[in-house]
Amino acid sequence: RKEVEQDPGPFNVPEGATVAFNCTYSNSASQSFFWYRQDCRKEPKLLMSVYSSGNEDGRFTAQLNRASQYISLLIRDSKLSDSATYLCVVLDGNQFYFGTGTSLTVIP
Amino acid sequence: NAGVTQTPKFQVLKTGQSMTLQCAQDMNHEYMSWYRQDPGMGLRLIHYSVGAGITDQGEVPNGYNVSRSTTEDFPLRLLSAAPSQTSVYFCASSPGSTGELFFGEGSRLTVL
Repeated sequence: RKEVEQDPGPFNVPEGATVAFNCTYSNSASQSFFWYRQDCRKEPKLLMSVYSSGNEDGRFTAQLNRASQYISLLIRDSKLSDSATYLCVVLDGNQFYFGTGTSLTVIP
Repeated sequence: NAGVTQTPKFQVLKTGQSMTLQCAQDMNHEYMSWYRQDPGMGLRLIHYSVGAGITDQGEVPNGYNVSRSTTEDFPLRLLSAAPSQTSVYFCASSPGSTGELFFGEGSRLTVL
């Protein structure tokens, strides 16, 4: 069983839409959680950390459900510039585990 | 601001050749790591280090060696390249306390 699982998509949404990504992780003892964004042929970059209480950064909201072992990312009012691959990342001890990524394309 | 610097950006090898991917960071991060990214597989951890003189294996260490003689540098060595090692390699560092990973721009390796 993979440590982190994501729906690969692709998600194709119109500008202004709200889109949600989910991710599940296998180790209940995992201590930290993140969403990264990766543009085509570029390195991943941190989008936001995910906290148990949920956290928001502008149009982006991340939530963690430890009981069900899943992490979510909500993007409101999608922009063309949001088109990218979104990676769910879990820190387990000294090792970071990455989901395969969810591809998002925002259509004009 | 240099951050994490990887070289080379592109490399073509023949099967059986050896090479070293270089990684350097100027943020005084204790944690450094190497990943490979393949289509449909996501990023997989090859080796990591929690400080100078300390290294450990990740998920896919076979065929790769690392060393950490300084805080700044964390080279990845391919001992005898195989076509299965064709991939994009990313080096990343972290200050450790926050867990945020800072990535280099990646190295595209093709083994013929």
